[in-house]
Amino acid sequence: DTAVSQTPKYLVTQMGNDKSIKCEQNLGHDTMYWYKQDSKKFLKIMFSYNNKELIINETVPNRFSPKSPDKAHLNLHINSLELGDSAVYFCASSQGRGMPLHFGNGTRLTVT
Amino acid sequence: AQSVTQLGSHVSVSEGALVLLRCNYSSSVPPYLFWYVQYPNQGLQLLLKYTSAATLVKGINGFEAEFKKSETSFHLTKPSAHMSDAAEYFCAVSYYGGSQGNLIFGKGTKLSVKP
Repeated sequence: DTAVSQTPKYLVTQMGNDKSIKCEQNLGHDTMYWYKQDSKKFLKIMFSYNNKELIINETVPNRFSPKSPDKAHLNLHINSLELGDSAVYFCASSQGRGMPLHFGNGTRLTVT
Repeated sequence: AQSVTQLGSHVSVSEGALVLLRCNYSSSVPPYLFWYVQYPNQGLQLLLKYTSAATLVKGINGFEAEFKKSETSFHLTKPSAHMSDAAEYFCAVSYYGGSQGNLIFGKGTKLSVKP
């Protein structure tokens, strides 16, 4: 019954590796997002997808790439991981841009 | 450009005392405003939202917030704090239909509740 679920919950990996985080929502929402929360709890939007179309792409390195196979899924793929990528990554969904977000429980990424 | 400022990164109150968490926004058009709560090791949960209806908004867990356009504020209050209210609280702003439309979050306020 989880509305927004993301896996894995914890991800520990070495610098230079490539990893993916999966996200699924069962709310029927049209828009999905990825947010990054740093060690100071600051939340910054990375991407959003509306009907499988990327509509926001903030100043995020191109090592990060969102992939949406369908409206209910938005996965995050990260190439060549760096120490500074260590953070908690949250997936979220909403009925539309500017509407309340429903968050997953986060993926804590640690790059060593 | 939209922005939101939360005054006080850490607020500490005694159990039973008034909770007041401050949020000021900057928006060139009428905003939508939100308060979210984050418990340890969890995602963010919506507490309440203002979308241009009533200026006093009631949310879950006894929280409420008042939209004051003249002060560009949307402070969060609760009359009596409970130990379970200890968490991180985030104010967020957006406006529907804008070219961006995504929620912009404040830096958060950590609420501690002393017994």
